[in-house]
Amino acid sequence: DVKVTQSSRYLVKRTGEKVFLECVQDMDHENMFWYRQDPGLGLRLIYFSYDVKMKEKGDIPEGYSVSREKKERFSLILESASTNQTSMYLCASSSYGPGTAMYGYTFGSGTRLTVV
Amino acid sequence: AQKITQTQPGMFVQEKEAVTLDCTYDTSDQSYGLFWYKQPSSGEMIFLIYQGSYDEQNATEGRYSLNFQKARKSANLVISASQLGDSAMYFCATSSYNAGNMLTFGGGTRLMVKP
Repeated sequence: DVKVTQSSRYLVKRTGEKVFLECVQDMDHENMFWYRQDPGLGLRLIYFSYDVKMKEKGDIPEGYSVSREKKERFSLILESASTNQTSMYLCASSSYGPGTAMYGYTFGSGTRLTVV
Repeated sequence: AQKITQTQPGMFVQEKEAVTLDCTYDTSDQSYGLFWYKQPSSGEMIFLIYQGSYDEQNATEGRYSLNFQKARKSANLVISASQLGDSAMYFCATSSYNAGNMLTFGGGTRLMVKP
């Protein structure tokens, strides 16, 4: 069964801590994405990556960075966590090329991060 | 840029009845896809249905159908014979092939099925 795995389901961190959210996919997908989800705001794109060592800013990159050293792993980093980064974080992956548009994304199960 | 609008923040439906969740989109792409995802309280995003912009027939998957009206830029989800397990958040999304199949999501609709 193909999967996107996020390392933590629930996480509680203190203000100012450096936080790493890990995401691993086993589908050999080229594209990986990090979203945050907040009530009434839907899913907002933080960063995405089309290839190893490649990253692009999404709609709300401030306060975040990412790392993609291997094709299967895409990490989201909160350099200095703040309370306004309390949210649900969703990782997703997708393939790209002829005939792949219909498959959309495969999502991880999400990480609910609380910053206190 | 693409934009998705879901105008119903929350909806109730009686068990066994049909319900329509609204979605309108704005895109300048000639070729695009439309998706619906379900998110139960557990948090995972579940793919429900896909419609390609050049598909002439409305997509159907079991109890789910997508009412695609291209000229109106509308892609409403119809759930027939609602079940208690259909209670969840529902997200409409559109993809851009020109942007590597990236999805843009709407704000979501919370559906609550009453017994």
